[in-house]
Amino acid sequence: ELKVEQNPLFLSMQEGKNYTIYCNYSTTSDRLYWYRQDPGKSLESLFVLLSNGAVKQEGRLMASLDTKARLSTLHITAAVHDLSATYFCAVTNQAGTALIFGKGTTLSVSS
Amino acid sequence: DTEVTQTPKHLVMGMTNKKSLKCEQHMGHRAMYWYKQKAKKPPELMFVYSYEKLSINESVPSRFSPECPNSSLLNLHLHALQPEDSALYLCASSDRGLQETQYFGPGTRLLVL
Repeated sequence: ELKVEQNPLFLSMQEGKNYTIYCNYSTTSDRLYWYRQDPGKSLESLFVLLSNGAVKQEGRLMASLDTKARLSTLHITAAVHDLSATYFCAVTNQAGTALIFGKGTTLSVSS
Repeated sequence: DTEVTQTPKHLVMGMTNKKSLKCEQHMGHRAMYWYKQKAKKPPELMFVYSYEKLSINESVPSRFSPECPNSSLLNLHLHALQPEDSALYLCASSDRGLQETQYFGPGTRLLVL
Protein backbone atom coordinates (compact mmCIF):
# COMPACT_ATOMS: atom_id res chain seq x y z
CA GLU A 1 0.00 0.00 0.00
CA LEU A 2 1.37 3.38 -0.99
CA LYS A 3 1.83 5.76 1.92
CA VAL A 4 3.05 9.34 1.80
CA GLU A 5 4.47 11.15 4.79
CA GLN A 6 5.34 14.81 5.07
CA ASN A 7 7.26 16.57 7.75
CA PRO A 8 7.05 18.83 9.43
CA LEU A 9 3.28 19.24 9.49
CA PHE A 10 3.59 22.81 10.71
CA LEU A 11 6.43 25.22 10.10
CA SER A 12 6.70 28.69 11.54
CA MET A 13 9.19 30.58 9.44
CA GLN A 14 10.94 33.88 9.82
CA GLU A 15 11.14 36.17 6.85
CA GLY A 16 14.41 35.92 5.03
CA LYS A 17 15.42 32.48 6.34
CA ASN A 18 15.66 29.17 4.49
CA TYR A 19 13.62 26.06 5.23
CA THR A 20 13.00 22.56 3.86
CA ILE A 21 9.91 20.35 3.78
CA TYR A 22 10.32 16.60 3.35
CA CYS A 23 8.07 14.11 1.60
CA ASN A 24 8.69 10.36 1.95
CA TYR A 25 6.74 7.68 0.14
CA SER A 26 6.64 3.96 0.73
CA THR A 27 6.62 2.25 -2.69
CA THR A 28 8.11 2.87 -6.11
CA SER A 29 6.39 5.67 -7.99
CA ASP A 30 6.72 7.25 -11.40
CA ARG A 31 6.05 10.78 -10.39
CA LEU A 32 5.62 13.15 -7.51
CA TYR A 33 3.62 16.37 -7.34
CA TRP A 34 3.72 19.40 -5.11
CA TYR A 35 0.57 21.46 -4.64
CA ARG A 36 -0.14 24.64 -2.72
CA GLN A 37 -3.43 25.41 -1.01
CA ASP A 38 -4.35 28.78 0.48
CA PRO A 39 -6.94 28.76 3.29
CA GLY A 40 -10.43 28.16 1.94
CA LYS A 41 -9.11 27.86 -1.62
CA SER A 42 -8.42 25.11 -4.10
CA LEU A 43 -5.14 23.40 -4.92
CA GLU A 44 -2.59 24.97 -7.23
CA SER A 45 -0.06 22.77 -9.00
CA LEU A 46 3.52 23.82 -8.25
CA PHE A 47 5.79 21.08 -9.56
CA VAL A 48 5.74 17.62 -11.08
CA LEU A 49 8.92 15.58 -10.68
CA LEU A 50 9.33 12.69 -13.08
CA SER A 51 12.71 11.11 -12.60
CA ASN A 52 15.50 10.50 -10.15
CA GLY A 53 17.53 13.64 -9.59
CA ALA A 54 14.85 15.91 -11.03
CA VAL A 55 15.05 19.47 -9.75
CA LYS A 56 12.59 22.22 -10.49
CA GLN A 57 12.59 25.82 -9.33
CA GLU A 58 10.00 28.55 -9.33
CA GLY A 59 10.80 31.76 -7.53
CA ARG A 60 11.79 31.01 -3.94
CA LEU A 61 10.70 27.36 -4.14
CA MET A 62 12.86 24.49 -5.34
CA ALA A 63 11.72 20.88 -5.43
CA SER A 64 13.90 17.81 -5.89
CA LEU A 65 13.35 14.08 -6.13
CA ASP A 66 15.47 11.12 -5.06
CA THR A 67 13.61 8.01 -6.20
CA LYS A 68 16.12 5.66 -4.62
CA ALA A 69 15.52 7.16 -1.20
CA ARG A 70 11.83 7.69 -2.07
CA LEU A 71 12.23 11.25 -0.89
CA SER A 72 11.31 14.65 -2.25
CA THR A 73 12.26 17.96 -0.70
CA LEU A 74 10.73 21.39 -1.13
CA HIS A 75 13.28 24.04 -0.29
CA ILE A 76 12.23 27.58 0.55
CA THR A 77 14.78 30.32 0.07
CA ALA A 78 14.46 33.60 1.98
CA ALA A 79 10.88 33.08 3.12
CA VAL A 80 8.37 35.84 2.50
CA HIS A 81 4.84 36.28 3.81
CA ASP A 82 3.29 35.37 0.45
CA LEU A 83 4.50 31.80 0.90
CA SER A 84 2.19 31.22 3.87
CA ALA A 85 -0.08 28.32 2.80
CA THR A 86 -0.41 24.56 3.09
CA TYR A 87 1.81 22.52 0.81
CA PHE A 88 0.92 18.98 -0.19
CA CYS A 89 3.04 16.40 -1.90
CA ALA A 90 1.22 13.66 -3.80
CA VAL A 91 2.41 10.46 -5.40
CA THR A 92 0.85 8.18 -8.00
CA ASN A 93 1.23 4.44 -7.77
CA GLN A 94 2.91 2.63 -10.61
CA ALA A 95 -0.36 1.27 -11.94
CA GLY A 96 -1.70 4.79 -12.23
CA THR A 97 -4.81 3.90 -10.24
CA ALA A 98 -4.24 6.04 -7.18
CA LEU A 99 -2.98 9.49 -6.25
CA ILE A 100 -2.08 9.64 -2.59
CA PHE A 101 -1.55 12.94 -0.80
CA GLY A 102 0.61 13.58 2.20
CA LYS A 103 -1.06 15.23 5.20
CA GLY A 104 0.24 18.63 4.15
CA THR A 105 2.67 21.09 5.67
CA THR A 106 1.23 24.38 6.86
CA LEU A 107 3.71 27.21 6.56
CA SER A 108 3.38 30.46 8.44
CA VAL A 109 5.80 33.29 7.77
CA SER A 110 6.28 36.06 10.27
CA SER A 111 8.48 39.13 10.16
CA ASP B 1 -7.35 28.15 -20.62
CA THR B 2 -6.39 26.06 -17.60
CA GLU B 3 -9.58 26.64 -15.68
CA VAL B 4 -11.87 24.15 -14.04
CA THR B 5 -15.14 25.68 -12.89
CA GLN B 6 -17.47 24.37 -10.21
CA THR B 7 -20.96 25.35 -9.16
CA PRO B 8 -22.29 26.13 -6.69
CA LYS B 9 -19.55 27.61 -4.53
CA HIS B 10 -21.50 26.94 -1.36
CA LEU B 11 -24.35 24.53 -0.66
CA VAL B 12 -26.40 23.92 2.45
CA MET B 13 -28.72 20.94 2.38
CA GLY B 14 -30.81 18.86 4.70
CA MET B 15 -30.41 15.13 5.07
CA THR B 16 -33.50 14.46 2.97
CA ASN B 17 -32.59 16.78 0.10
CA LYS B 18 -31.33 15.89 -3.35
CA LYS B 19 -28.80 18.22 -4.89
CA SER B 20 -26.12 18.15 -7.56
CA LEU B 21 -22.62 19.57 -7.86
CA LYS B 22 -21.38 20.55 -11.30
CA CYS B 23 -17.90 20.73 -12.78
CA GLU B 24 -16.77 21.88 -16.22
CA GLN B 25 -13.45 22.07 -18.04
CA HIS B 26 -12.60 23.18 -21.57
CA MET B 27 -9.00 22.02 -21.73
CA GLY B 28 -9.81 18.92 -23.76
CA HIS B 29 -8.88 16.74 -20.81
CA ARG B 30 -10.18 13.18 -20.93
CA ALA B 31 -9.91 12.38 -17.22
CA MET B 32 -11.97 14.03 -14.49
CA TYR B 33 -12.05 13.50 -10.76
CA TRP B 34 -14.04 14.16 -7.63
CA TYR B 35 -12.26 14.65 -4.32
CA LYS B 36 -13.54 15.21 -0.81
CA GLN B 37 -11.52 17.38 1.55
CA LYS B 38 -12.28 17.79 5.23
CA ALA B 39 -10.86 20.74 7.15
CA LYS B 40 -7.10 20.56 7.70
CA LYS B 41 -6.89 17.21 5.87
CA PRO B 42 -5.56 16.26 2.45
CA PRO B 43 -7.95 15.65 -0.45
CA GLU B 44 -9.31 12.12 -0.73
CA LEU B 45 -10.05 10.71 -4.15
CA MET B 46 -13.66 9.64 -4.61
CA PHE B 47 -14.19 8.94 -8.32
CA VAL B 48 -12.21 8.93 -11.55
CA TYR B 49 -13.76 9.22 -15.00
CA SER B 50 -11.58 8.36 -17.94
CA TYR B 51 -12.90 8.96 -21.45
CA GLU B 52 -16.35 9.49 -19.93
CA LYS B 53 -16.38 6.09 -18.23
CA LEU B 54 -16.17 5.56 -14.50
CA SER B 55 -12.80 3.92 -13.97
CA ILE B 56 -12.25 4.25 -10.22
CA ASN B 57 -14.75 4.34 -7.36
CA GLU B 58 -12.93 4.52 -4.07
CA SER B 59 -15.62 2.67 -2.10
CA VAL B 60 -17.75 5.78 -1.86
CA PRO B 61 -21.24 5.37 -0.30
CA SER B 62 -24.11 5.16 -2.78
CA ARG B 63 -25.57 8.43 -1.52
CA PHE B 64 -22.93 9.99 -3.80
CA SER B 65 -23.63 9.31 -7.46
CA PRO B 66 -21.29 10.61 -10.15
CA GLU B 67 -22.25 11.28 -13.74
CA CYS B 68 -20.20 12.32 -16.76
CA PRO B 69 -22.61 13.58 -19.47
CA ASN B 70 -19.75 14.44 -21.84
CA SER B 71 -16.02 14.92 -21.84
CA SER B 72 -16.27 18.47 -20.48
CA LEU B 73 -18.82 17.98 -17.72
CA LEU B 74 -18.85 16.08 -14.46
CA ASN B 75 -21.69 15.99 -11.97
CA LEU B 76 -21.96 14.65 -8.46
CA HIS B 77 -25.50 13.85 -7.38
CA LEU B 78 -26.15 13.96 -3.65
CA HIS B 79 -29.01 12.24 -1.84
CA ALA B 80 -29.70 11.48 1.82
CA LEU B 81 -26.37 12.82 2.97
CA GLN B 82 -25.18 12.75 6.56
CA PRO B 83 -23.71 15.66 8.55
CA GLU B 84 -20.29 13.99 8.36
CA ASP B 85 -20.41 14.46 4.59
CA SER B 86 -19.93 18.19 5.11
CA ALA B 87 -16.67 19.07 3.38
CA LEU B 88 -15.07 20.85 0.45
CA TYR B 89 -15.73 18.91 -2.75
CA LEU B 90 -13.09 19.44 -5.38
CA CYS B 91 -13.27 18.59 -9.04
CA ALA B 92 -10.10 18.14 -11.07
CA SER B 93 -9.13 17.19 -14.59
CA SER B 94 -6.02 15.94 -16.34
CA ASP B 95 -5.02 15.11 -19.87
CA ARG B 96 -5.57 11.37 -19.75
CA GLY B 97 -5.29 9.95 -16.25
CA LEU B 98 -3.77 9.95 -12.81
CA GLN B 99 -0.26 10.00 -14.27
CA GLU B 100 -0.68 13.59 -15.44
CA THR B 101 -0.85 16.86 -13.53
CA GLN B 102 -4.32 17.55 -12.27
CA TYR B 103 -5.93 20.98 -12.44
CA PHE B 104 -8.32 21.65 -9.62
CA GLY B 105 -11.49 23.68 -9.57
CA PRO B 106 -12.28 26.11 -6.74
CA GLY B 107 -14.47 23.60 -4.95
CA THR B 108 -17.97 23.49 -3.52
CA ARG B 109 -18.21 23.92 0.21
CA LEU B 110 -21.02 21.65 1.37
CA LEU B 111 -22.81 21.79 4.71
CA VAL B 112 -25.27 19.05 5.58
CA LEU B 113 -27.67 19.88 8.39
